[in-house]
Amino acid sequence: DAMVIQNPRYQVTQFGKPVTLSCSQTLNHNVMYWYQQKSSQAPKLLFHYYDKDFNNEADTPDNFQSRRPNTSFCFLDIRSPGLGDAAMYLCATSSPDNFNTEAFFGQGTRLTVV
Amino acid sequence: QKEVEQDPGPLSVPEGAIVSLNCTYSNSAFQYFMWYRQYSRKGPELLMYTYSSGNKEDGRFTAQVDKSSKYISLFIRDSQPSDSATYLCAMTVDQTGANNLFFGTGTRLTVIP
Repeated sequence: DAMVIQNPRYQVTQFGKPVTLSCSQTLNHNVMYWYQQKSSQAPKLLFHYYDKDFNNEADTPDNFQSRRPNTSFCFLDIRSPGLGDAAMYLCATSSPDNFNTEAFFGQGTRLTVV
Repeated sequence: QKEVEQDPGPLSVPEGAIVSLNCTYSNSAFQYFMWYRQYSRKGPELLMYTYSSGNKEDGRFTAQVDKSSKYISLFIRDSQPSDSATYLCAMTVDQTGANNLFFGTGTRLTVIP
């Protein structure tokens, strides 16, 4: 049973056209993360939510925003996608007691920018 | 220098072989060491995690940590075609604090029937 669900699996967007990726979870975890993973690279943390508290990584471009309307859902908004934003975007969740040692990932959304 | 270094491979082995995957790291404060498996076009899934030095075994998988050498390994015995995936190591100083989990770039493994 899928516990972290990302939609869509594949997204094609035009250069500069805003796009939203979504993530939902059935684990009732407090913490939700968004990672960017480019080909043959390590996942890079963009930001995370602890409940409604938003935590942005220092090097995350302003072009990337996020919303978490409730515990189950989290969205990644890319305001003006560039060619360099083409990547796999991974959503993950964890409980507060083990942020780092037990993260559950979704299947990812592969974003193509044309 | 990157926090975590991992040979990207690719690595191809025949079915039944013993596979050794490795990572090195620079931060001596790391205490928790994880291995994730990522199938093609899927998200990573946690395979094993180890606290501090030593070995941990789970079926055909053994994780080994040598903190004195800043070196971790994942061994896969009797490898199967279903083990074909990218294996990512990850490590952290503590369990809490969501922004201090460091991943390797992953090693792509193919097990040939």
